[in-house]
Amino acid sequence: NAGVTQTPKFQVLKTGQSMTLQCAQDMNHNSMYWYRQDPGMGLRLIYYSASEGTTDKGEVPNGYNVSRLNKREFSLRLESAAPSQTSVYFCASSVSGGGGGTDTQYFGPGTRLTVL
Amino acid sequence: GENVEQHPSTLSVQEGDSAVIKCTYSDSASNYFPWYKQELGKRPQLIIDIRSNVGEKKDQRIAVTLNKTAKHFSLHITETQPEDSAVYFCAASTSGTYKYIFGTGTRLKVLA
Repeated sequence: NAGVTQTPKFQVLKTGQSMTLQCAQDMNHNSMYWYRQDPGMGLRLIYYSASEGTTDKGEVPNGYNVSRLNKREFSLRLESAAPSQTSVYFCASSVSGGGGGTDTQYFGPGTRLTVL
Repeated sequence: GENVEQHPSTLSVQEGDSAVIKCTYSDSASNYFPWYKQELGKRPQLIIDIRSNVGEKKDQRIAVTLNKTAKHFSLHITETQPEDSAVYFCAASTSGTYKYIFGTGTRLKVLA
């Protein structure tokens, strides 16, 4: 099992460009998450998908959109990148049946994004 | 909104000594508290977790304690080793919210 995978690993964008970060998991998990990690600020939730077919906003959703393509895949899109979106982005997944999100989240390797 | 405060932000200990990291949460409904370890350039990985119906949990050199009344929980690492050097994050979550609220992290350095 590969666990949680993310592509790309690194990306440099110019202000105003768009891109999509891809995430996939092979653990048959129901819930998936997107976080950003900035120095001194820990991990902050951008969007999550409690189950296939649903998505909801987290703490910092502005400037982002998501798509839960199927049970395995959850993508994050930046429509018009800004320097403030320079960060490391992590995707995660969890089983989340009856626990309602109170279960172990498994993280992908991250995408390091720089917006110039 | 919900908040998790984590202290200290940096911690240096001698190899073999103990390390303690403390977190305080604001949402009294929080009922799940995981701890993650993140090595430089790597993904966060779960090292231990505790639920609100338990006061303490141990796994070899690592233990977590929870005080629901005071709304704080702590990570204890005994007999520290150089490979324990990393950033540690606490988090709090509430059933039905699907949201982890993370602390800002503690950089632990174990000096040989």
